[in-house]
Amino acid sequence: DQQVKQNSPSLSVQEGRISILNCDYTNSMFDYFLWYKKYPAEGPTFLISISSIKDKNEDGRFTVFLNKSAKHLSLHIVPSQPGDSAVYFCAAILGGSQGNLIFGKGTKLSVKP
Amino acid sequence: GAVVSQHPSRVICKSGTSVKIECRSLDFQATTMFWYRQFPKKSLMLMATSNEGSKATYEQGVEKDKFLINHASLTLSTLTVTSAHPEDSSFYICSARDDAGGGTDTQYFGPGTRLTVL
Repeated sequence: DQQVKQNSPSLSVQEGRISILNCDYTNSMFDYFLWYKKYPAEGPTFLISISSIKDKNEDGRFTVFLNKSAKHLSLHIVPSQPGDSAVYFCAAILGGSQGNLIFGKGTKLSVKP
Repeated sequence: GAVVSQHPSRVICKSGTSVKIECRSLDFQATTMFWYRQFPKKSLMLMATSNEGSKATYEQGVEKDKFLINHASLTLSTLTVTSAHPEDSSFYICSARDDAGGGTDTQYFGPGTRLTVL
């Protein structure tokens, strides 16, 4: 059974608006969450992360929110830009920073000019 | 649907031995699979692109004689770490591109293999 779920395979947003990518997880013992961004024909690149002891982490246009009671996290991109068009993967780690990554299936974001 | 498995999930071996890791797409065909290595502090490194029926394409700095890749069928790619050393200890993840993805880069990740070389 999937431990990390991204239920929306795709999302389309107008340039300048907010993009919200969602991720749900089942294991309450996860202690670290990450978002990766992946362009076609390239490997995923790390975008932003959040520890389970926090509920928000912000880096420029990217903010990740964590709701532990709902086992839900989301990535907000404001304002969205056409260059943000990519596949975004949510991942979780069990067992500290050296633990194994467990990936969701990804959400393809398209930002239209 | 769209499940990718890896075997084994965890392996411990002695220095100098070789270890084979399998990556399988269980319910779709994948002409192209990818092998990644996770480094500390969360970064993923693409090691190589595995193509069914042809030689793998290795990224710069990855030793192809050390990390042997074989993609013998549309659902199976293997990564063999030859003459493993402690510095090869890491978490190896594969992903598979769905051939029926309609031209999009639809990839699915495996659960990973934790390799520990003593």
